[in-house]
Amino acid sequence: QSALTQPASVSGSPGQSITISCTGTSSDLGDYKYVSWYQQHPGKAPRLLIYDVSNRPSGVSTRFSGSKSGNTASLTISGLQAEDEADYHCGSYPPSTTVFGGGTKLTVL
Amino acid sequence: EVQLVQSGAEVKEPGESLKISCKGSGYSFTNYWIGWVRQMPGQGLEWMGIIYPGDSDTRYSPSFQGQVTISADRSINTAYLQWSGLKVSDSAMYYCTRRPTGTRTFDIWGQGTMVTVSS
Repeated sequence: QSALTQPASVSGSPGQSITISCTGTSSDLGDYKYVSWYQQHPGKAPRLLIYDVSNRPSGVSTRFSGSKSGNTASLTISGLQAEDEADYHCGSYPPSTTVFGGGTKLTVL
Repeated sequence: EVQLVQSGAEVKEPGESLKISCKGSGYSFTNYWIGWVRQMPGQGLEWMGIIYPGDSDTRYSPSFQGQVTISADRSINTAYLQWSGLKVSDSAMYYCTRRPTGTRTFDIWGQGTMVTVSS
């Protein structure tokens, strides 16, 4: 399976909202409700932000939200903060496999 | 505290074998899947495979089937990723990560093990 498609980079100013898309096919994303998003700061391990499309683990800010429509999942970050500057990865979980996106670098201007 | 602690960075020559480890603590190791994920420099995440330490049920990505071996020793709460003949193209950061049973997400990640293969 090919990687899910994410924009290479997005940017926004502090306080603004941004959305990162993650596009696949029906067989690797669209038919399933299991999409996760991970945040990765430089030199660090990924951290789970969103699971099952729109659920936040305990401790994750409510500024992070997820959604899905058809074959595209989206991560929205509201009220951008400098600490949000990082790479963001989506992941989808068809039966017996896992597919990740190529990652998106978020720059906070 | 729930954590996965991985073994340290490795520098190897092409053709050598290698086994890196991932030790879980703070939770019931046998009741969660452990996955392995590759990240090449400046690239995204690639799922390699996953093991359930409770019964050693193992699944591989087609891209990595036959290239690596995933195993676990539940007596010491440790999962492993091994190569029998490293290639320069295996140079990457490798992460282990936990997947709770009945879910499809990875909730805890190890700190990563950097593998460098060079002659």
